[in-house]
Order: sequence, then C-alpha cells, then structure tokens
Amino acid sequence: QAQLVESGGSVVQPGRSLRLSCTASGFNFSSYGMHWVRQAPVKGLEWVAVISFDGRNKYYADSVKGRFVISRDNSKNTVYLEMNSLRRDDTALYYCATVSTTPFSDYWGQGALVTVSS
Amino acid sequence: DVVMTQSPLSLPVTLGQPASISCRSGQGLVYKDGNTYLNWYQQRPGQSPRRLIYKVSSRDSGVPDRFSGSGSGTDFTLKISRVEAEDVGIYYCMQATHWPPTFGPGTKVDIK
Repeated sequence: QAQLVESGGSVVQPGRSLRLSCTASGFNFSSYGMHWVRQAPVKGLEWVAVISFDGRNKYYADSVKGRFVISRDNSKNTVYLEMNSLRRDDTALYYCATVSTTPFSDYWGQGALVTVSS
Repeated sequence: DVVMTQSPLSLPVTLGQPASISCRSGQGLVYKDGNTYLNWYQQRPGQSPRRLIYKVSSRDSGVPDRFSGSGSGTDFTLKISRVEAEDVGIYYCMQATHWPPTFGPGTKVDIK
C-alpha cells in the first residue's frame, strides 16, 4: 500500500529556516515526480513546488521562488523541502504528493504543520 | 497561471439528493497530446485530499459510482447522484495541463 509520511514541521520564527522531509513506501518512488502542496489554516490548496522523477527539473510557485528549495534522494525514497526566509504567510499544513494524472498513482501524505510566529 | 473558479462555494444538500459542482478554467485545458488534465479531489474534515476523478471523467479505483465528472474546454462538472453523509467535505478541481498546476478555491458540501 502506497504511503507518504512527512516530518519536520515545527514552530519557527520569521526569517528562519526549516526543512521538511517526506518518505515514500509501497510504490516505485524513483519513477514519480513529487510535489509539495500547502494549505493555510481554513484555506484552500496551494501548489508549492515539484521535482521530476530524476531530480533534474524543479519548478516553484512565485510565492516561494528564491526562498524554498525542493530536492530528493531516490536511494532513501525521500523528497525534501528546504524553506528559507520564512514569513508568517508561509504558515500552513504542507503535503507531499504525487499529484498524478494517471490511474492508481495519486498519493498524498498526512501533512506537516509549519507555523511561522515570533 | 491558469485561474480556476468553482461554483457554488458552499453547497448544502439533502441526503439522497443529487449535487453538482461547476469548475471553470481561465484557459482551455486540452494538452498537445489531446488529453484534458482536470482532476477532482475530495477533502473530508481532518483528512488529506483524495483524488476522485482524473482526466475529466475517469473515476479512481474505490470511488463510488455515484461520483461522475464531465466537461470539456473550460467548463467542467462534478456530480454526486445521491449524496451520502460520508460525502461531506470540500471538493477541489485542479488543472495539470498548464504549468504550474492550479487548484480551484473549493466547494464546501454539507448536509442540510
């Protein structure tokens, strides 16, 4: 059974950094592009970043470009989100997901809560 | 970025009655390969999103057949033929034809 487990969520002060991890199991992780999608409190879903299956291509939402870095380690079945210069409006539940358009391939984690507050 | 809009944003329904959610995209969603990459997600209270429909009308495995998707071009619809209590939640459309993927604002479905 496919599973994604995020970790690393925390309370952090504005301007500081934080790294989220997401470890996959139960599917061929190295064949999938991986996304981070966030959801601010009582808000909708916002796509944040994606990394291709081989790590060569990365794309970011304008709201995080230049501050967040997505990476992956296929030997560890893990995708990361390095978040720098955090702002209060980065406060959200961060999901890693495959966000697929094909059958039997759309998986989401349970989310990691990031709270940016002084 | 492609703007996705949904209506209504709130949908109170009676158990056993049908429900319909509209989703519109700011640009056509037909990709150069001829496919239309429009997904529908359900997010139950306290849970992660779960995909119900991909490529406009293909239902995911395990999704009850009371859920159906339709549409083309810029106008899409998610229908629930007979609403059950477990259908309460927020429903999002999402396009993956154009980069970056974008979500609609969500439609909250609850029971009258």
